[in-house]
Amino acid sequence: DTEVTQTPKHLVMGMTNKKSLKCEQHMGHRAMYWYKQKAKKPPELMFVYSYEKLSINESVPSRFSPECPNSSLLNLHLHALQPEDSALYLCASSQPGAGHSVEAFFGQGTRLTVV
Amino acid sequence: QKEVEQDPGPLSVPEGAIVSLNCTYSNSAFQYFMWYRQYSRKGPELLMYTYSSGNKEDGRFTAQVDKSSKYISLFIRDSQPSDSATYLCALRRRETSYDKVIFGPGTSLSVIP
Repeated sequence: DTEVTQTPKHLVMGMTNKKSLKCEQHMGHRAMYWYKQKAKKPPELMFVYSYEKLSINESVPSRFSPECPNSSLLNLHLHALQPEDSALYLCASSQPGAGHSVEAFFGQGTRLTVV
Repeated sequence: QKEVEQDPGPLSVPEGAIVSLNCTYSNSAFQYFMWYRQYSRKGPELLMYTYSSGNKEDGRFTAQVDKSSKYISLFIRDSQPSDSATYLCALRRRETSYDKVIFGPGTSLSVIP
């Protein structure tokens, strides 16, 4: 199984709503990532979890709150978003450490629209 | 100067043509060089990666890295309409517990039947 599964595929939310994005992988990878991708732009790193601990927060606004409940799951909690937060949110995973494959697997993304 | 630069295109070629996609980078600390393919409304898919200067071939795809010039290329032979996608170069630096990846802006490719 070389799959990263993201749910939901599409999400429309109001600016006062609270919602969560979910990401799951069963490849035994211990590094998981959230990226944000706007139309016709490359993915931009938001957060990195390594061994279930937050390693990187790329100065992301607090209205985005990541959570890594276990080594297979990664959540992104959303609250009081702005229309400019509308984007494709991508989850990825990889196995850190020397000697391991450098492959990172991406999910298909959640297309988020904030109205 | 941006860390990774890539011609955004769009690039349009006839079916069967050889396609050349290129990126330049400025930070020599990056150790791994990747090419991702992204179809519209899908997540990126890793095509190839290399970690040394030289060529690496996989079917119709050849990745080339020149670390001295900080230049990476992807060649697609016998291009097919199914190759129409955005191609993103990416550079990775392996940290102790995570991988720092910087993506190029991507080149949009259309292969015309």
